[in-house]
Amino acid sequence: AQTVTQSQPEMSVQEAETVTLSCTYDTSESDYYLFWYKQPPSRQMILVIRQEAYKQQNATENRFSVNFQKAAKSFSLKISDSQLGDAAMYFCAYQRANSKLTFGKGITLSVRP
Amino acid sequence: EAEVAQSPRYKITEKSQAVAFWCDPISGHATLYWYRQILGQGPELLVQFQDESVVDDSQLPKDRFSAERLKGVDSTLKIQPAELGDSAMYLCASSLGEFGYNEQFFGPGTRLTVL
Repeated sequence: AQTVTQSQPEMSVQEAETVTLSCTYDTSESDYYLFWYKQPPSRQMILVIRQEAYKQQNATENRFSVNFQKAAKSFSLKISDSQLGDAAMYFCAYQRANSKLTFGKGITLSVRP
Repeated sequence: EAEVAQSPRYKITEKSQAVAFWCDPISGHATLYWYRQILGQGPELLVQFQDESVVDDSQLPKDRFSAERLKGVDSTLKIQPAELGDSAMYLCASSLGEFGYNEQFFGPGTRLTVL
């Protein structure tokens, strides 16, 4: 069975600084997808960034980028120039094609003004 | 912008009562998912539909939970009877289709409190 581990329950970052959220996963599959989702308080979950396992190049979306280490089964999210609106729970997730998402336990990110 | 709709947003019920949640996916989305998110944890899949057919319900407690998507559009998740441990956020998500990768879009969820 696939598992996703987020070992840090909470992190804090100063506004405008950079923060990295860690995630490891376990799978025997070679073809899969990895995601970071953001869940703001009392608001719906939205996709932040996606990485296809067959792609060696790390995905980037504006201020968000990932460090994907397939051999190490590691998938971290870097948020640059942190903004107050980045404060939320962040979930790392794994998916095989058109199958369910397997989520980690999440990390609460706070942003200090 | 199209969104996944869920109702009610909040539900308080007493133990042993029946509850039902409704989800309307984004128009044209063939795949619908129900997830349960216990406070402080990540969502876990309860059931996945492809059109009106159940694809995965391996984690659905079938003695008390049921789900249907009769016309392959909207869906209802029911709990009967509710137990204290059912208190959680119930999330619905939808995606376009059956093959390859399709982004899952989430609704706002229904927060259930069982007293």
